[in-house]
Amino acid sequence: EAQVTQNPRYLITVTGKKLTVTCSQNMNHEYMSWYRQDPGLGLRQIYYSMNVEVTDKGDVPEGYKVSRKEKRNFPLILESPSPNQTSLYFCASSFSRQGNNSPLHFGNGTRLTVT
Amino acid sequence: GNSVTQMEGPVTLSEEAFLTINCTYTATGYPSLFWYVQYPGEGLQLLLKATKADDKGSNKGFEATYRKETTSFHLEKGSVQVSDSAVYFCALNPGGYNKLIFGAGTRLAVHP
Repeated sequence: EAQVTQNPRYLITVTGKKLTVTCSQNMNHEYMSWYRQDPGLGLRQIYYSMNVEVTDKGDVPEGYKVSRKEKRNFPLILESPSPNQTSLYFCASSFSRQGNNSPLHFGNGTRLTVT
Repeated sequence: GNSVTQMEGPVTLSEEAFLTINCTYTATGYPSLFWYVQYPGEGLQLLLKATKADDKGSNKGFEATYRKETTSFHLEKGSVQVSDSAVYFCALNPGGYNKLIFGAGTRLAVHP
């Protein structure tokens, strides 16, 4: 089954403790992206990747890192999480970087709480 | 800049009622427009899209028409079902790479 898989689904951590949220897709997609969803703000892009070893900042990159060493994986790293990073995170992928004919496929989300 | 404004929810309807969720946008150039739906506990799924002015996107009984003159992309359905209860997001792609600008989302609750 074609899918985007995120882990974990739920994560509670403390301020400053490094964490990684994994994202994997099995559709051989070139383009991958991370979003955070906050009430009243919709989804905002954190980082994106157009292909292996090619990543760039989205609209809200502060406090996050990503890597794209393999085509299928795109982990999101929080080196020193803070309470304002408490949010619902989504990974998404698409076949190409051109959005009009290449819809985004979303994972089921990771709910992160930082205390 | 680029932005999307959706009507605030929640929207509560009885089964078989008519649905409209308003969406307006601000964009430079000629964006593509999308509606995504998020069911409880799941990620977003593409519901429909329109890539140029006057295009109508449709899927599962939902429709939306790309109106350049009013910069709108309102979502409509003639007869909603309980299974349509979800959060609906309007979004635009300003062009270039696959980045979506989302509205805040509108929660729809349909009761029997």
